[in-house]
This record gives sequence, structure tokens and C-alpha cells, in this order.
Amino acid sequence: DVKVTQSSRYLVKRTGEKVFLECVQDMDHENMFWYRQDPGLGLRLIYFSYDVKMKEKGDIPEGYSVSREKKERFSLILESASTNQTSMYLCASSPDRSPSHNEQFFGPGTRLTVL
Amino acid sequence: KQEVTQIPAALSVPEGENLVLNCSFTDSAIYNLQWFRQDPGKGLTSLLLIQSSQREQTSGRLNASLDKSSGRSTLYIAASQPGDSATYLCAVSVMNTGFQKLVFGTGTRLLVSP
Repeated sequence: DVKVTQSSRYLVKRTGEKVFLECVQDMDHENMFWYRQDPGLGLRLIYFSYDVKMKEKGDIPEGYSVSREKKERFSLILESASTNQTSMYLCASSPDRSPSHNEQFFGPGTRLTVL
Repeated sequence: KQEVTQIPAALSVPEGENLVLNCSFTDSAIYNLQWFRQDPGKGLTSLLLIQSSQREQTSGRLNASLDKSSGRSTLYIAASQPGDSATYLCAVSVMNTGFQKLVFGTGTRLLVSP
């Protein structure tokens, strides 16, 4: 079974702090994704990566950056956390870019609260 | 711009009923459609993936159909159980700036009562 893990289930940070969210997958997947989920807005893509050291902006990249130094690990960075970044953050991975192999598998999520 | 709609937003049924969840999308140019389950405060669990060339997929008591030309998918759950209570999300895979990405609906919250 594909396993996607996230470093924290719950996180509380203060405004202005630098925040790191870590995601690790164990199935040698090419693609990794970061989403945030908010009531009434659904899941929105922040950033994704299709290879080591490669990244692409999603729909809402402002205020975030990412890092992918190793294939299995994808980090989301909030450079200076703000209260409007309080949300559920979900990481996902998929095997490769071919249409028949891009089923996404999700981690358990990190509930981030910024005070 | 692709938009995905799920109706109803919430559904409450007694145990044992067969039920249908609906998903519609505005642009038929999709690569595949994926159904997910999400329990409160948890991540998403992939239930079924239907390729654009397929009409349906089955897994246990779940059956998902896809009518790409009309922009619709349904998730059929047979003999519902209290353990099926969760939010069900559908998502379509579309091409965007050279990459495939998922566009999600906002989900149907299902409650199955004993």
C-alpha cells in the first residue's frame, strides 16, 4: 500500500513565524502535491513537484514556498505565517505524469492554527 | 475553467439503503475522475479511479460510473452501513499549463443511521 505521512497532525504557530510542513511518501512516486482545505472552498492546490528539485505553482502559491531535495520528501514552507493561513494542509503523491498512472494518494493532513 | 459540483451537499439515510452520490463537471476534456472518502479531521482515501475511456469501476459495494460527454459521474453505494458515514469528494484530472492537476468538488456529507 502507498503510504504518505505528514510530520505533524496538529500545529499551532504565531503570526510571523517561519513554518515547515514535511511530507514523505514511500512508493517512489514522481509527483508530489500540497493542498489546503477550507470549509466552503474545498481543496486548492498550492504547489506541486514532478521531480527532485522541480516545482510548479498551483492555484494559490502566494505566501508559500516548497522544497524537494529528495524524491520521497516534499516540504511546504510558510515564510511568515499569517492568520489567514490557518487551515488543513494535505500532501499527496502520484506515480508519474502519464494519464493512466496519476491516481493521487493523500496523507493524514496537518491542522495548522496561526495565532 | 473547469468547475466540479456535487449535489446534494449532505445526505442522511437509514442503514441498509442503496444510495447515489452525484458529481458534475463543466468541461468534458478530462483524463480521469477520482472518488475519495474523507473522515472528519482526516486525509482523503482514494476509493475509485475511472479513466476517461472507461464507463464504470467497481470495488466491493461501490460502483462509480462516468458519462464524459454529459459531464456526470455517480457513486453508487449498495446496502449502506454506519461505517460509510463520511464526506465523499470527486475530482477530475485536467491539463493545465502542461501538467495534469485535480479539480475537486466540495463534497457530499453522508450520514448513515443505525
